[in-house]
Amino acid sequence: QKEVEQNSGPLSVPEGAIASLNCTYSDRGSQSFFWYRQYSGKSPELIMSIYSNGDKEDGRFTAQLNKASQYVSLLIRDSQPSDSATYLCAAFRYNFNKFYFGSGTKLNVKP
Amino acid sequence: GAVVSQHPSWVICKSGTSVKIECRSLDFQATTMFWYRQFPKQSLMLMATSNEGSKATYEQGVEKDKFLINHASLTLSTLTVTSAHPEDSSFYICSARARGLAGEETQYFGPGTRLLVL
Repeated sequence: QKEVEQNSGPLSVPEGAIASLNCTYSDRGSQSFFWYRQYSGKSPELIMSIYSNGDKEDGRFTAQLNKASQYVSLLIRDSQPSDSATYLCAAFRYNFNKFYFGSGTKLNVKP
Repeated sequence: GAVVSQHPSWVICKSGTSVKIECRSLDFQATTMFWYRQFPKQSLMLMATSNEGSKATYEQGVEKDKFLINHASLTLSTLTVTSAHPEDSSFYICSARARGLAGEETQYFGPGTRLLVL
């Protein structure tokens, strides 16, 4: 079992819709969680980080964390074609000094 | 957010030569940096964890004598691909661990180095 699991997609949504990306993790000791966006041929770019249960909003992005269910999600409101990319979910375990990445979900936003 | 740079962004070399890639944290100190490799349409693969002032920790299957890592200062880590071969051609990405004012941990990526071995 991988430490972080994501559906590889592709997830297709029309422009202006809400895109919902999900991720589960297996290590209950994970303390911090992240969403990165990676465009084809580029390195990952940090979008959101979340450290406690609940929702965290930043512009069109909302990250949600449920530690009891070991579940992290990212909502993208008013999706734009420029949001089309692969979204990587990551979990950090402090005492292992290690970030665990999911394999990524490819998002396509259709004009 | 914090800025991580990599140099060079592109390198083409002949088989058998060594290539050095630099990773710098520009506006923060990074006691830990990570080196990843990514082949086309595949996931990030962690190669090694680089700790300032100590030896790097390599992931299983990564040859430490082939991929030499040095983390000589709090802002610089280098990866040297020794005796490079065509199968080493890949996208190499470094990242740096940063701690925020509230103690929260985050990882920022450099822009990556694309290596092509002929």
